[in-house]
Amino acid sequence: HITLRESGPTLVKPTQTLTLTCAFSGFSLSTSGVGVGWVRQPPGKALDWLALIHWDGDKWYSPSLKSRLSITKDTSKNQVVLTMTNMDPLDTATYYCAHFEDYYDSSGNYYYSGMDVWGQGTTVTVSS
Amino acid sequence: EIVLTQSPGTLSLSPGERATLSCRASQSVSSSDLAWYQQKPGQAPRLLIYGASSRATGIPDRFSGSGSGTDFTLTISRLEPEDFAVYYCQQYGRSPPRLTFGGGTKVEIK
Repeated sequence: HITLRESGPTLVKPTQTLTLTCAFSGFSLSTSGVGVGWVRQPPGKALDWLALIHWDGDKWYSPSLKSRLSITKDTSKNQVVLTMTNMDPLDTATYYCAHFEDYYDSSGNYYYSGMDVWGQGTTVTVSS
Repeated sequence: EIVLTQSPGTLSLSPGERATLSCRASQSVSSSDLAWYQQKPGQAPRLLIYGASSRATGIPDRFSGSGSGTDFTLTISRLEPEDFAVYYCQQYGRSPPRLTFGGGTKVEIK
């Protein structure tokens, strides 16, 4: 049974750095094909992908936010940490982490599971 | 960079009716990379469909996905009261890995 839970500050000031933690259970981020992604959603708006990290440590970022984001994993603690620098009121949103898998099977067929389990989200407000 | 355009923005239907939601990609994508999600107010998104047409675990068979290339469709055969929500399509790009979401379609009660 896979679960994920986001945690972090609910309020940050403009220009500050946001640090969010995704604590998970039910899977290992050292298992081949496994990944964790971060997605945010401003109030009343659509989902917006931020970053993802694969089991092998590969990291990928939204091109528009790449300069401000960093994603790391601690396999022993079953955690993924996302940091976002230079926070702005436009970064006010609910932030989610989610599990996914992607790999090539023995027949060479590609498989992407979709983001199949999500955390409940954590709401971050950016205001002075 | 791929852009996903969902239409219509809002779909007003009655329970029991059929819902057809569209997701159009700005360039051809692999069916393996296309997923659909449902989101209700105050809740996290829930995976409905992966690989364009495979239902996720526990998803009722009234939900179906189809399409290929640049045009994908999510169909809800007969709307149940709990199906009124916002639906998002998502593409997973492999080289380099990145995720793209569509703008969403809201299915509301008529």
